[in-house]
Amino acid sequence: GAVVSQHPSWVICKSGTSVKIECRSLDFQATTMFWYRQFPKQSLMLMATSNEGSKATYEQGVEKDKFLINHASLTLSTLTVTSAHPEDSSFYICSAPGEGLQETQYFGPGTRLLVL
Amino acid sequence: RKEVEQDPGPFNVPEGATVAFNCTYSNSASQSFFWYRQDCRKEPKLLMSVYSSGNEDGRFTAQLNRASQYISLLIRDSKLSDSATYLCVVTEYSSASKIIFGSGTRLSIRP
Repeated sequence: GAVVSQHPSWVICKSGTSVKIECRSLDFQATTMFWYRQFPKQSLMLMATSNEGSKATYEQGVEKDKFLINHASLTLSTLTVTSAHPEDSSFYICSAPGEGLQETQYFGPGTRLLVL
Repeated sequence: RKEVEQDPGPFNVPEGATVAFNCTYSNSASQSFFWYRQDCRKEPKLLMSVYSSGNEDGRFTAQLNRASQYISLLIRDSKLSDSATYLCVVTEYSSASKIIFGSGTRLSIRP
């Protein structure tokens, strides 16, 4: 089946630094990818929709200047958390939709970010 | 009102029991419905799609009731390995796909 990878799986960084997370579709092309954030014991919250070749669409309350998304190819989307702070510590997951009307989502394994 | 609401949980049931979860959605135009399973500190994995005619996969049965706008998941003969959080997911199609996750129902199976 379709596989989505994320890199890195773990990040620990100092407050104020920027962190880039990569999301790759390994055996299929994805014109759209989704980025989620999940805090402990909470559900996934959609942050933004990444569109290949165009600007990302951000959900209400998500700062586009803080969470920079680039979808430069059909297999790669990146999320950069700029000037990270401890409250940005979370589990970041990307997904890419499958094909067909009954679209399923193929999720990456997630990236744990800890900002000290 | 949340767009997708699930049973509050957590559910703590003995091994072998039958357990059922419900999920309601607010947008009658929603088109696709899924149950995902998420283990602790892992990404969600698709458990099953949900169709109007209902569908069954081994011990798992999913039902969709469009008139009442709810979907359900039934787990029979529960196993210890079924312990996880179950997420109800609804997809809407308007100008773009919109995927909405429920808050999840935590299930714990005890020996």
